[in-house]
Amino acid sequence: DVKVTQSSRYLVKRTGEKVFLECVQDMDHENMFWYRQDPGLGLRLIYFSYDVKMKEKGDIPEGYSVSREKKERFSLILESASTNQTSMYLCASSLTGTIEKLFFGSGTQLSVL
Amino acid sequence: QKEVEQNSGPLSVPEGAIASLNCTYSDRVSQSFFWYRQYSGKSPELIMSIYSNGDKEDGRFTAQLNKASQYVSLLIRDSQPSDSATYLCAVNFIMNTGFQKLVFGTGTRLLVSP
Repeated sequence: DVKVTQSSRYLVKRTGEKVFLECVQDMDHENMFWYRQDPGLGLRLIYFSYDVKMKEKGDIPEGYSVSREKKERFSLILESASTNQTSMYLCASSLTGTIEKLFFGSGTQLSVL
Repeated sequence: QKEVEQNSGPLSVPEGAIASLNCTYSDRVSQSFFWYRQYSGKSPELIMSIYSNGDKEDGRFTAQLNKASQYVSLLIRDSQPSDSATYLCAVNFIMNTGFQKLVFGTGTRLLVSP
């Protein structure tokens, strides 16, 4: 089975802190994605990557950056955390050419105080 | 207009009934349509995909697609309490950059009562 592992299930940070959310997949998938999920707003795409060192903005990239130095690892960075970035963050991966069958990690609930 | 729209529910059905979940999307050129199920506190998981007009059946689940009406639905026959979850409709969109992205609706919460 594909496993997508997110480093933390719960995280509490203060405003202005730099926050790193880590995601690792073990199935050699080319595609990796970061979504955030908020009540009433659903899943929204922040950034994605189709290859190592490649990144593309999703629908809500402001305030975020990403890093993909290795194929299996995709990191989401909050440069200066703000309270409106309190959310559930979900990482996902998929095979090349199949963006639709996403395998999700268990999520990180981030609270910014 | 939202790219993918769903009624948030909850949709309540008795055990054994048919649950009907609906979704509309905004982009006529979209070609791929999916239903994900998300249990409370868990991550979404893919349960159905459909690419052409008509019906696609998989066990108790049937996905229906009408591209002319830009409408996708999911029918769950013989609903079970274990089907109680939020069902997310997802549609692929082609971005200005040429890359594809998967856009999710906000989900419909289904409650199946014993």
